[in-house]
Amino acid sequence: GENVEQHPSTLSVQEGDSAVIKCTYSDSASNYFPWYKQELGKRPQLIIDIRSNVGEKKDQRIAVTLNKTAKHFSLHITETQPEDSAVYFCAANYGGSQGNLIFGKGTKLSVKP
Amino acid sequence: DAGITQSPRHKVTETGTPVTLRCHQTENHRYMYWYRQDPGHGLRLIHYSYGVKDTDKGEVSDGYSVSRSKTEDFLLTLESATSSQTSVYFCAISGGQGASPLHFGNGTRLTVT
Repeated sequence: GENVEQHPSTLSVQEGDSAVIKCTYSDSASNYFPWYKQELGKRPQLIIDIRSNVGEKKDQRIAVTLNKTAKHFSLHITETQPEDSAVYFCAANYGGSQGNLIFGKGTKLSVKP
Repeated sequence: DAGITQSPRHKVTETGTPVTLRCHQTENHRYMYWYRQDPGHGLRLIHYSYGVKDTDKGEVSDGYSVSRSKTEDFLLTLESATSSQTSVYFCAISGGQGASPLHFGNGTRLTVT
């Protein structure tokens, strides 16, 4: 069925360390993989996305990698800062470009000063 | 930020009563979505709309109905609220379907007693 697995569910790092969150999907037609950040009490906000014709995308301290063969994608945050503390959600579109986004269950990232 | 307004922001209602949540957008986007967010479940799609009077079910549609009579408004109705529908409800909009970013509203916290 339609499912996006996300790991870990919680992640604690020291300020300045790197953080990696991984997601897997099952639909080979999926071609769009966004990542959302949700601060406590706020709405989810898009931080980066990647399409299936690209293997990696970077934006300053964040990067996303995609392995289509293995059907998994990852979010990498380098030089973490306390303001990176939030819940992060991955998503994938099921059924390709005409499908809807299915979200992972989220990763709560805590960055300790 | 995308122009999305959800109302009300908070609501407490009793079991068995009907409840309607409103989402209003000023972006003239074709696609509108209703998600619910619960601890341990992430964001789950309830219903979505791909145009005026064009709607379809998501993964958790039982007990919910929607209507879209104008491009800018998407209503979610709980026909007879139950305690299991206590949740935070997010509206989202998109310029395209599955391969386009979602922009979320600020959410409605609904408590069914």
